[in-house]
Amino acid sequence: SYVLTQPPSVSVAPGQTARITCGGNNIGSKSVHWYQQKPGQAPVLVIYYVSDRPSGIPERFSGSNSGNTATLTISRVEAGDEADYYCQVWDSSSDLVVFGGGTTLTVL
Amino acid sequence: HLQLQESGSGLVKPSQTLSLTCTVSGGSITSGGYSWSWIRQPPGKGLEWIGYIYHTGSTYYNPSLKSRVTISVDRSKNQFSLKLTSVTAADTAVYYCARRDCSSASCFVDYWGQGTLVTVSS
Repeated sequence: SYVLTQPPSVSVAPGQTARITCGGNNIGSKSVHWYQQKPGQAPVLVIYYVSDRPSGIPERFSGSNSGNTATLTISRVEAGDEADYYCQVWDSSSDLVVFGGGTTLTVL
Repeated sequence: HLQLQESGSGLVKPSQTLSLTCTVSGGSITSGGYSWSWIRQPPGKGLEWIGYIYHTGSTYYNPSLKSRVTISVDRSKNQFSLKLTSVTAADTAVYYCARRDCSSASCFVDYWGQGTLVTVSS
């Protein structure tokens, strides 16, 4: 089955840019989606189809995807962005939704 | 605004059956081409896809759980349900119901329930 690999943690100072990566075999050929999950809450979709944002998600959140790595970029990081972030793809060969292991973003 | 709400037993004994129901409000379970899904998250761990069902009753289950999972739909009540048999402590998790949106290119989850913690313990 398809495997997505994320770094366990990323730390960034307020106002700086956070980049969270998601690795997978030729992931650049897939549509990648990203979720934000704060403690005790359900995940929230923040990016879909690589770089689209649902309504209500700030423009500070953006995504890219090429080769074997997809990236979620959060510009001008705020304390409220501190959360776990999960990437997700759809493995068409198995019709399975696959999640990465998650990355904890810490705002210093 | 679509809302999903899980309900069911929060404590299940080992070897018994976990049963949860998701009630959908603010929209019909039969509208569009959406599928209705169950996802779980063990304490302190990541997300695991359990399976989904269309309003037609067509289902798909994660192969790792397939032998123990049944997802069903009740269109008259705008609900769908999860049954997981022969549970062990490894099935302890927060269980989320969710709506899956698919195009020809991909699928993602656009609406989630708040989640319900199910503990497997004697």
